[in-house]
Amino acid sequence: GAVVSQHPSRVICKSGTSVKIECRSLDFQATTMFWYRQFPKQSLMLMATSNEGSKATYEQGVEKDKFLINHASLTLSTLTVTSAHPEDSSFYICSAESRTGGLENEQFFGPGTRLTVL
Amino acid sequence: KQEVTQIPAALSVPEGENLVLNCSFTDSAIYNLQWFRQDPGKGLTSLLLIQSSQREQTSGRLNASLDKSSGRSTLYIAASQPGDSATYLCAVAGGYALNFGKGTSLLVTP
Repeated sequence: GAVVSQHPSRVICKSGTSVKIECRSLDFQATTMFWYRQFPKQSLMLMATSNEGSKATYEQGVEKDKFLINHASLTLSTLTVTSAHPEDSSFYICSAESRTGGLENEQFFGPGTRLTVL
Repeated sequence: KQEVTQIPAALSVPEGENLVLNCSFTDSAIYNLQWFRQDPGKGLTSLLLIQSSQREQTSGRLNASLDKSSGRSTLYIAASQPGDSATYLCAVAGGYALNFGKGTSLLVTP
């Protein structure tokens, strides 16, 4: 149990286009979802936290108008990178947390999405 | 702000050795600490989760300890195998999200 999927696993796009990444909790209801970014040889850095039905909370330095997060349901959160540029190329990982069902205080991670902007 | 440090940054050992990875954190007010494994270009695989009230967790050849008061955790890998080669990340939950260390890159040679 407690599986999180991400789609797509890899995407290559042209500079200036927008890319949407989906994060789904497959067998539990995720009250909170997190989006992380990892540059090569760096640690994962939290970008934003989203709770179902409310606006995402962004970390300092993360542009909310560039990285649009929608947590429309208890099993789906999306991250849209708008007007992507080469410096946005990174590994994006989501995680999900449930407040119930014995899964409290544990985050379950998706497999990640490799974004390359040309 | 929570700072998580992992030592060493890289480690190369021959197969069969027992090894210890270290993680330290600056704020002892944590909910839990997790150890993850990350293979190149892949997502995270959770290895062990230690709640703040626990001292250690074991899974197979892995044993993780937690000393909250001193802000330290260790991951012990027994009888290392080439398949253990990966980056090992330590992450601390102190509020709502996780704070990650930069990881220890482990290479186990046959």
